[in-house]
Amino acid sequence: EVQLVESGGGLVQPGGSLRLSCAASGFTFSSYYMSWVRQAPGKGLEWVANIKPDGSEKYYVGSVKGRFTISRDSAKNSLFLQMNSLRAEDTAVYYCARESRWRGSYRFDSWGQGTLVTVSS
Amino acid sequence: DIQMTQSPSSLSASVGDRVTITCQASQDISSYLNWYQQRPGKAPKLLIYDASNLETGVPSRFSGSGSGTVFTFTISSLQPEDIATYFCQQFDNLPYTFGQGTKLEIK
Repeated sequence: EVQLVESGGGLVQPGGSLRLSCAASGFTFSSYYMSWVRQAPGKGLEWVANIKPDGSEKYYVGSVKGRFTISRDSAKNSLFLQMNSLRAEDTAVYYCARESRWRGSYRFDSWGQGTLVTVSS
Repeated sequence: DIQMTQSPSSLSASVGDRVTITCQASQDISSYLNWYQQRPGKAPKLLIYDASNLETGVPSRFSGSGSGTVFTFTISSLQPEDIATYFCQQFDNLPYTFGQGTKLEIK
């Protein structure tokens, strides 16, 4: 069974930093693209970043470029999101999602339960 | 960025009703569209991929159609457990973008 378990969320002051982790199990982690998707309280879903299976390519939504860094450790089956210079508008539940790709078809077919990040003074 | 616009934003229907949600893309995205269900307090769940393909294990009352810029998602016979918010998502171009969601309630 595929499992994704996020951790590392919490309360942080504006301008602060936080590192999120996602522990993956039940599949060959090193074969999949992985993404972070966030959801502000009461709002919709926003894709944040993704990373290639070998970690060689990373992509970000414009609002987090230069502030967030996605990374992975295949030896530990883990995905990370380093968040710096946090702003109030980064407050959200952050989900780790497996991105399945097959013959041009991409989809988020497994999601973690999410971890809440609150940016407030 | 590609904008995804869902309608309606909310919908109230009775058990057994046929329910349809529309998603419009700001540019042609071929069939590069997925649909997700998010029950209250839970993570999203993939229902439909590539506009019309049912994810394994998803009940057949869910279906999707469309291509280009206009897509529809249909529940053929609404069940109480279908109470959720539904999102469309395009994967034609990065950044991936989602519709704002359609909140479905039971009348």
